[in-house]
Amino acid sequence: EPEVTQTPSHQVTQMGQEVILRCVPISNHLYFYWYRQILGQKVEFLVSFYNNEISEKSEIFDDQFSVERPDGSNFTLKIRSTKLEDSAMYFCASSPLTSGPTYEQYFGPGTRLTVT
Amino acid sequence: SQKIEQNSEALNIQEGKTATLTCNYTNYSPAYLQWYRQDPGRGPVFLLLIRENEKEKRKERLKVTFDTTLKQSLFHITASQPADSATYLCALAPLTGGGNKLTFGTGTQLKVEL
Repeated sequence: EPEVTQTPSHQVTQMGQEVILRCVPISNHLYFYWYRQILGQKVEFLVSFYNNEISEKSEIFDDQFSVERPDGSNFTLKIRSTKLEDSAMYFCASSPLTSGPTYEQYFGPGTRLTVT
Repeated sequence: SQKIEQNSEALNIQEGKTATLTCNYTNYSPAYLQWYRQDPGRGPVFLLLIRENEKEKRKERLKVTFDTTLKQSLFHITASQPADSATYLCALAPLTGGGNKLTFGTGTQLKVEL
């Protein structure tokens, strides 16, 4: 069964450094998302991406963050100048586009980002 | 502001019983309500989706109800098994626009005991 994959599974970085989190969505899916979950808290929406552009972004997704689909398979989240409070689990998700909007989303296993 | 509330306390039930989890929301008019399962350290896994014009949806041992007047969804697992132990998340999605953004509740931890 196709699944969303994410690399790395765990990333440790120093405050102020830049990180790139990578995702390979399910191959025939067209909507892509990033969410994050701070330990013990709820899953929070960051950004959605469709047709090579951002569809919506949350207040969390400020100029520190950017997303890119550099080729036909990868979807990346870049976090510039990381802060301690960026420590969280980051989930990539994707969903297909069918004849009507399909809102079920398929999540990857997550990348645990630790900022020290 | 939009608020989604799920029982913050863990739900412990005996194997074979029916587990019922609640999701309440305020200041929101969702078109779709979804339930996900999340195991520790893993990503959410989609279980069921119910639309605003549907009252009930079933899938195997799972049943979801959606009452837009009460602004509430109930999620039932019948004949529960220890393997059903996990955190269950309620998520809402708007009708149009919003880029299919999902807004999640905090989740309810379910523990099924032998």
